Amino acid sequence: NAGVTQTPKFQVLKTGQSMTLQCAQDMNHEYMSWYRQDPGMGLRLIHYSVGAGITDQGEVPNGYNVSRSTTEDFPLRLLSAAPSQTSVYFCASSRDRRNTIYFGEGSWLTVV
Amino acid sequence: GEDVEQSLFLSVREGDSSVINCTYTDSSSTYLYWYKQEPGAGLQLLTYIFSNMDMKQDQRLTVLLNKKDKHLSLRIADTQTGDSAIYFCAETPRGRTSYDKVIFGPGTSLSVIP
Repeated sequence: NAGVTQTPKFQVLKTGQSMTLQCAQDMNHEYMSWYRQDPGMGLRLIHYSVGAGITDQGEVPNGYNVSRSTTEDFPLRLLSAAPSQTSVYFCASSRDRRNTIYFGEGSWLTVV
Repeated sequence: GEDVEQSLFLSVREGDSSVINCTYTDSSSTYLYWYKQEPGAGLQLLTYIFSNMDMKQDQRLTVLLNKKDKHLSLRIADTQTGDSAIYFCAETPRGRTSYDKVIFGPGTSLSVIP
């Protein structure tokens, strides 16, 4: 049972480059989301999705795009990376809004 | 507004009890959670408590909820070195239509001294 799988685990980007963080879950969860984690700030929601074809912005959406073409996948795109996007990114999923949130292992991104 | 606060660091000796505290501002919260994050890993749900409960015990873990003071605590009995991690308090305010409104605290880094 894989749960929530994120790739890559580590990535270094140059300012201005674009990339996609992949997230997949095999639990048939409707709810998926992306968080970023910065020291002393906890987790901040970037984007979320309540089902295939439906996405919405979270607390810190600027500089990121998402799409949800299938229930399983929820990729996060950085269009033009900036040093301020250096962070640890977590993908998460849950069955519905009252259920436990399951987190991926995290993706460490450094923008130089 | 919605805010969850925690002390950032806690250090205890192996075998002692650890108490991690959290305060929240939204009195309508229905669920309150404790997540554990080990180095280099994602967050794992440790335990949760419904707002209509005062206490929940699960093996070495005891959660206490003081709704009047909006204070949540996590007590770890007989703390072990494997308990060293960051512990996040989180709340789900009542009436939200999606879990995007799960509010996380900044995390408390627990160091266990052998």
